[in-house]
Formats: sequence, C-alpha cells, structure tokens
Amino acid sequence: TQLLEQSPQFLSIQEGENLTVYCNSSSVFSSLQWYRQEPGEGPVLLVTVVTGGEVKKLKRLTFQFGDARKDSSLHITAAQPGDTGLYLCAGGRGGYQKVTFGTGTKLQVIP
Amino acid sequence: EAGVTQFPSHSVIEKGQTVTLRCDPISGHDNLYWYRRVMGKEIKFLLHFVKESKQDESGMPNNRFLAERTGGTYSTLKVQPAELEDSGVYFCASSPVGGGYEQYFGPGTRLTVT
Repeated sequence: TQLLEQSPQFLSIQEGENLTVYCNSSSVFSSLQWYRQEPGEGPVLLVTVVTGGEVKKLKRLTFQFGDARKDSSLHITAAQPGDTGLYLCAGGRGGYQKVTFGTGTKLQVIP
Repeated sequence: EAGVTQFPSHSVIEKGQTVTLRCDPISGHDNLYWYRRVMGKEIKFLLHFVKESKQDESGMPNNRFLAERTGGTYSTLKVQPAELEDSGVYFCASSPVGGGYEQYFGPGTRLTVT
C-alpha cells in the first residue's frame, strides 16, 4: 500500500500566520497533486508537481516536491480565513492514472 | 463549462436495499474515475473508465458494487445489496485524454446505510 501520510492532521492558526503542511511516503511518485476540499464539495486541484526538487508558487501558497519524489510540502504565507479547508496531497505512479490520496490536513484560519 | 456533476447529493437507505449513484463527467473527458471516502479514512480509488471500457477496477471492494458507463458518457455505480460499511462519500472525477493525474472532482454523493 502506497500510503501518503500528511502532517499535521489538524491545524488551527490566527489570520496572518504562516504554516507548512507535509506529505510523506516511502514510495516514489511520478507526480504529486495538492487539492483543497471544502465541506459538501469535491477536492479542487491546486497544483501538480512532477520533477524532484520542483517548487511552484500560487499566490501565497508555495508547493515543493522532494528531491527523491517521495515527499512534498505546502507552505502558506500570511494565512487568510479563506484558506480554511481540508488540504489533500495525492500521488500518481507510472502509467497508472489512479491516484493515491493522503490522509488530509484540516486547516482552520481564525480571523 | 459545466463541471462534474453527481446525483443524488445524499442518499439514506436501509441495509439490504439497492442504490444507484450517477456521475456526469465534464463534456469530452474520456477518463472517468470513482473514489470513496469512508468515515475517518482517506479517499480511495474504486475504478477507472476510459470511454465505456473499464481500465482498472482494482479498487472495487466486492461484487456488490457494479459500475457502468454505457456510451462513454455518464456513469452509474450500483450497490446491491447495501451493507452498513458501504456508508461514506462517493466521488466521481474526470480528466481528458493525456490529462495525466490532474482530475476534476464532482461534489460527491453522501451515502448512509442504516
């Protein structure tokens, strides 16, 4: 089983603070996606990283793929209440299009 | 462009009954996936269609689950007979040919088996 462990599981912070969410596995992935999910909705794709060491930025969000393509991180700068949600990493391997989802990080940003 | 839609949004049935979930993918997306999250667990893959063909159904829990995609458009997932452990949220996702792992998810169907 290619388990993707996310940490922390829960995070409650004040508006304006910075945070980092981690996604770790013992398996190598061809690519890794980050999704955000809000209650009653499906996951919404934020970013895909495919190259070891790759860094992508999306406004205040910075995503990094580990050099060995086994782990990834999501850093949010100056968190806003609108960032509240469930953050999911998901990895794909080889030619298979099914993805393995991480355990999820529930973020709450308090105004 | 309309996103992935799923019907119904919620379903409450009794153990032993049958339920059919429907997914309409984004128009033109050949790839269609079903996933499930049971309470407290991560989202898990069930199966993958390419057009009307089942590409990978390795995640289907047992033979009480039947997925179809007639004509390569919408898909249905039937659970018959439903058991308590089938409760959870069922997600459908779609992607175009060559879309890689970037999948577009529907809002999910919350199934409760009592």
